[in-house]
Amino acid sequence: QLQESGPGLVKPSETLSLTCSVSGDSITSSRYSWGWVRQAPGKGLEWIGSVYSGRPYATPSLRSRIAMSVDTSNNQFSLKLKSVTAADTAVYYCARSGGLADWYFDLWGRGALVSVSS
Amino acid sequence: EIVMTQSPATLSVSPGERATLSCRASQGVSSNLAWYHQKPGQAPRLLIYGASTRATGVPARFTGSGSGTEFTLTISSLQSEDFGLYYCQQYNNWQTFGQGTKVEI
Repeated sequence: QLQESGPGLVKPSETLSLTCSVSGDSITSSRYSWGWVRQAPGKGLEWIGSVYSGRPYATPSLRSRIAMSVDTSNNQFSLKLKSVTAADTAVYYCARSGGLADWYFDLWGRGALVSVSS
Repeated sequence: EIVMTQSPATLSVSPGERATLSCRASQGVSSNLAWYHQKPGQAPRLLIYGASTRATGVPARFTGSGSGTEFTLTISSLQSEDFGLYYCQQYNNWQTFGQGTKVEI
């Protein structure tokens, strides 16, 4: 199972921080990648980035603002998105996918709504 | 970036009828194509990967087909629990999702 956690409200220009806790799998397993997908209100799905074998991969449009990391001691992975604007308001999902050739998501968290507002 | 275009935007289908959803890629993605179903307020659920392989627990009424740039998801006999949004995703070159098809019962 996957569970997102983090603040539900972030001020413009600040940094959005989310953590995904993983249970039932080891986050160090080479079978899986661990990723983030977001969905703005009433909009479609947008892949943000994924981590595989400790290496981050991010969508080009957000790459300059993203930092992703893995905490093996707590079996968690994290997302930081800096310099947020209202356009970053969305439900943020953490999700599991396969290795680099199998980047479809077979397990999802329930999602965390993050609003960007002053 | 590979752009995924889904059609139609909305599909109105009666229970028991067949539903056909389309997904087109702006460039070839081989068979690296997945389909998801999302109900309101829920996370997406994986239905199909590899263009045609059903995920664990997915009923046989869901069939994926296609390769290259043209893909289809067919629901042979629509059930009430099948309403919602359907998204295609290519994972051949990074990842991009289509804009979704809403299936109305």
